[in-house]
Amino acid sequence: SQKIEQNSEALNIQEGKTATLTCNYTNYSPAYLQWYRQDPGRGPVFLLLIRENEKEKRKERLKVTFDTTLKQSLFHITASQPADSATYLCARGAGTALIFGKGTTLSVSS
Amino acid sequence: SQTIHQWPATLVQPVGSPLSLECTVEGTSNPNLYWYRQAAGRGLQLLFYSVGIGQISSEVPQNLSASRPQDRQFILSSKKLLLSDSGFYLCAWCPILAAKNIQYFGAGTRLSVL
Repeated sequence: SQKIEQNSEALNIQEGKTATLTCNYTNYSPAYLQWYRQDPGRGPVFLLLIRENEKEKRKERLKVTFDTTLKQSLFHITASQPADSATYLCARGAGTALIFGKGTTLSVSS
Repeated sequence: SQTIHQWPATLVQPVGSPLSLECTVEGTSNPNLYWYRQAAGRGLQLLFYSVGIGQISSEVPQNLSASRPQDRQFILSSKKLLLSDSGFYLCAWCPILAAKNIQYFGAGTRLSVL
C-alpha cells in the first residue's frame, strides 16, 4: 500500500537548536508533499509545500527538503523557540484529497 | 478573506444518540470540502470529501454520513453514535483551483460519546 510515515512520535530539543523532522513514503512517488503545524485542540495550519522537482524550500526559519532517492522529506526549524512546540504533520496528495502522516510532536525547552 | 466555521466546539453525546456537525465556509465559491477525524494517538483520518453540492465521496465505511446541501455547507451526521465515534472532528476546505490541494481547517469539534 502507499504509505506516508512519520516515524518519530516525539522530539525534544533545546531552544536555539535546529529541529529536524522526518517524513518517509513507500510504494509510490508523490508529486508533492505538504507540511502542517497543529497546536493542541486546534486545526492544522499549512506551512510549506514542496514539489518532487524541488530539492529545497524555505520560509523564514523553516526549510523543507525532498529526496526522491531516499523517498523522504525533512522539515527543519532553525533557531528553535518554545513557541515552535507543536505537532507537525506531513501530507501527500491523493486525487482531490490529502493523506496525512500521524505527526511528530516537537517540544522546545528553554 | 475566507473563513471556515465549525460548530459546536465540544459535544458530549450518549451512545445511540444522533449526531449533526456543521461546517460553513465564507468568502469563496465552490470549494472542495473535507471531514477528518483525529482519534487520540492517531493521525488525521479522511472521512468524506465533496467537490460540489450533493457530491459526497466516502473514504472509510463507518457509522457516519455526510451531506452538502449548499455550496459552502458541509454536514457530518450519524443516526446512532458508537463509543468508537469519539474523537476530534475537523472540517477543511480547499479552493477549487488551488495548487496541490492546500487545505484550510476549522477549529474542530471534540466529540465524546459516553
